[in-house]
This record gives sequence, structure tokens and C-alpha cells, in this order.
Amino acid sequence: EDKVVQSPLSLVVHEGDTVTLNCSYEVTNFRSLLWYKQEKKAPTFLFMLTSSGIEKKSGRLSSILDKKELFSILNITATQTGDSAIYLCAPGGGGTYKYIFGTGTRLKVLA
Amino acid sequence: ETGVTQTPRHLVMGMTNKKSLKCEQHLGHNAMYWYKQSAKKPLELMFVYSLEERVENNSVPSRFSPECPNSSHLFLHLHTLQPEDSALYLCASSQDGGRGDTQYFGPGTRLTVL
Repeated sequence: EDKVVQSPLSLVVHEGDTVTLNCSYEVTNFRSLLWYKQEKKAPTFLFMLTSSGIEKKSGRLSSILDKKELFSILNITATQTGDSAIYLCAPGGGGTYKYIFGTGTRLKVLA
Repeated sequence: ETGVTQTPRHLVMGMTNKKSLKCEQHLGHNAMYWYKQSAKKPLELMFVYSLEERVENNSVPSRFSPECPNSSHLFLHLHTLQPEDSALYLCASSQDGGRGDTQYFGPGTRLTVL
């Protein structure tokens, strides 16, 4: 059975802190892993990871995938209150069209 | 804006009503998806259409009926829903049939079934 576990479930930090969000997975058909940020509306796309060990960066956010150990991490440096959201990871996309979503990590950044 | 629009944004319906959710994508994508997001549960894939053909139906009850008249439009027809169907319904699209492609989400329809 496909499984995605995100940790921690929730996190409260202060502005300027660095956070690391974890996503471990077991999926039968894997091609890529997606990270999304969800505020009070639809998820917005952050990263698509396909290859192991290659870090993707976008501003203060970065992410990396380990296909051998079946996990990915999302790092946010110098956090801001606007980073407060639920961060979702979704591995899958191979064989079928299905991405399996985790329940997310709820991040709250305090001013 | 992601290029995927959904209407209505909010919908309240009784258990005997019939209503439809609409999704439109302006990205030139070939695959479209319906997801359900309930409180404190992961996103659940409901249906996938690729080039207007349904390619996946994730064991969804028949009271949800999708329709994809062309690659830009996707509907979800609702009838005799249950209160537990109250959720955020998200539409997404992706390029070239969706395998391994990034999915872009619409803003969702918040559905409440009384």
C-alpha cells in the first residue's frame, strides 16, 4: 500500500529561523516527488524532484530527494511570517497519473 | 493565479439537490484532475482525464459524475450527496497526459452539504 509520511505534523518558529520539513514515502510507481505550499486556498507548486542528490533552490527554499532512502526534505531559511502555511509532499507520477499526497506539515512563523 | 479557474468558489446544497462544479484551464494542458480535500485528511485523487478520456477513477461513489467535454474544461456533477461529502474540491491540470508532470491547482470549490 502506498504511504507518505510527513514530519513534523506542525511546527512553530520565529522569523529568521531555519526549518527542515521531512517527507518519507513508499509508493509502487514513482517517477517524481512534488512539493506544494497551501495557505487558505489551493496548493501552489514549489518543486518537482526527479533525480537523487540534486538540490533544487528557489529563493530561501530548497529541496532534495534521496531515492535510495525514499525521502525528501524541504528547507526554508530566514523564515518570514508569509511562509506560514501547510507544506505538502506528493510522490508518484509513474505508471499511473497518481500522486500520493501526505497530510502535510503545518508551519507557523511568528513575528 | 495558476491558470486554472473553478466555479463556484463556495456551494451549499441539500442532500436532494443536483449541482455541478466547473473547472477551466488556460494552460494548454492535456490532463485534468479532480481532488477532494477533507479536513485533516490528505488530498484524495478522484478522477483523471487525459485528452478528454477518463483514465482513472479512484473508487469514487456514483453520486459524483465527472464530464470532460474538451481538454480545457472539466465538470463534476453532484447528486444526492451526503454531509460527509462536504469538503474542498480541487481541480488540477498538467501537460501531456500527466505522467510525472507538475500539476497546477485551481482555487477550489468549498462544498457544504446540509
